[in-house]
Amino acid sequence: EGQLVESGGDLVQSGGSLRLSCVASGFALSSHWMTWVRQAPGKGLEWVANIGQDGSETYYVASVQGRFSISRDNAKSSLYLQMNNLRVEDTAIYYCVRDQFYYGMDVWGQGTTVAVSS
Amino acid sequence: DIQMTQSPSSLSASVGDRVIITCRASQRIGLYLNWYQQKPGKAPKLLIYAASNLETGVPSRFSGSGSGTDFTLTIRGLQPEDFATYYCQQSDSTPQVSFGGGTKVAVK
Repeated sequence: EGQLVESGGDLVQSGGSLRLSCVASGFALSSHWMTWVRQAPGKGLEWVANIGQDGSETYYVASVQGRFSISRDNAKSSLYLQMNNLRVEDTAIYYCVRDQFYYGMDVWGQGTTVAVSS
Repeated sequence: DIQMTQSPSSLSASVGDRVIITCRASQRIGLYLNWYQQKPGKAPKLLIYAASNLETGVPSRFSGSGSGTDFTLTIRGLQPEDFATYYCQQSDSTPQVSFGGGTKVAVK
């Protein structure tokens, strides 16, 4: 069925940067759109960004546009999220997700925690 | 942007109850509606895709219905393991998708 494992979450000061990574196993990453979803403490789920199979298409929620960059390395079965100019409101658990759109987000990582302090 | 509104935001129920959660889209989305279950400290899990299709391995007490703007998730015969938070998600505006605010199902 597949597995996703995120890493890179940390405590960082406002204005700082982090790079999240996600490694896929059990399926061909290159065949799938991939998505980052986040969840602020005690809040609901929020779509953050996604990327097409070859990396040529990327999309972002308005609140991170220009600050975050999603990328992938299919040869390494890896997905990334480069987060710059972090804000306190970016504090959340970040999930790496395989997105089948009409068929749903069917594989989720365990999440990695990003905490941004002021 | 398509806004997704779930109701209620929380409910209390007992084992064996029938639970109904509704999700309304701000514009028509056809059948592009998925449901997820999330337990505390865990990642969400896909339950239903395309409004009414049960994901493999999901118990048949879960069902989904609806089309256009109004959708429901029904749990028939609530089990102890079903106490969780449920989210709807639209994929009509793919690749930019959105989630509902969630419905917490708690023990009465």
